Amino acid sequence: DTGVSQNPRHKITKRGQNVTFRCDPISEHNRLYWYRQTLGQGPEFLTYFQNEAQLEKSRLLSDRFSAERPKGSFSTLEIQRTEQGDSAMYLCASSLDGYGYTFGSGTRLTVV
Amino acid sequence: EDQVTQSPEALRLQEGESSSLNCSYTVSGLRGLFWYRQDPGKGPEFLFTLYSAGEEKEKERLKATLTKKESFLHITAPKPEDSATYLCAAEGLTGGGNKLTFGTGTQLKVEL
Repeated sequence: DTGVSQNPRHKITKRGQNVTFRCDPISEHNRLYWYRQTLGQGPEFLTYFQNEAQLEKSRLLSDRFSAERPKGSFSTLEIQRTEQGDSAMYLCASSLDGYGYTFGSGTRLTVV
Repeated sequence: EDQVTQSPEALRLQEGESSSLNCSYTVSGLRGLFWYRQDPGKGPEFLFTLYSAGEEKEKERLKATLTKKESFLHITAPKPEDSATYLCAAEGLTGGGNKLTFGTGTQLKVEL
């Protein structure tokens, strides 16, 4: 088991472009979470899935953001029409029934 | 709304100089109090989960304790490799739990 894997590690995009990130959780974990972290701050909750169902979304998740977890395995987070304020580290975590949150190394997004 | 406050924001120690980091929390029903270590450009690395007041956990030079309002991370005889940002997070029962509320972290620097 290699832990939680996130790709890409870094992404630079122009304002207005769409970007998509991928997260592969620990294989036996049924819950998957997305967080966003800006410089000097702690991670902030965005959304979580139990298996393939998206059960909670933060008000931070504007309608430009969409997350999916088809078949309850990997997840993708898409940001449409990126803005400079979207620049941040996007972190994925997984757990088994809410026990033992394990984080990935994150995807660093820079919008220029 | 759940809140977590960490202090100090930054801490500089000499190698071998023990100290404590503080985490104050306000949550509706604590499900778990988590400590993570985060190195620059990486995701949070799990250290401890505490579930009830009076609980203590230890790992090498680190010891975490929990009261009804605060948690402390005690670092005994730190080494330069302990330098990192230490994050505290609380999981409350609001909305069924399932998300961590993080503090902004304590940036620890241990010097020779």
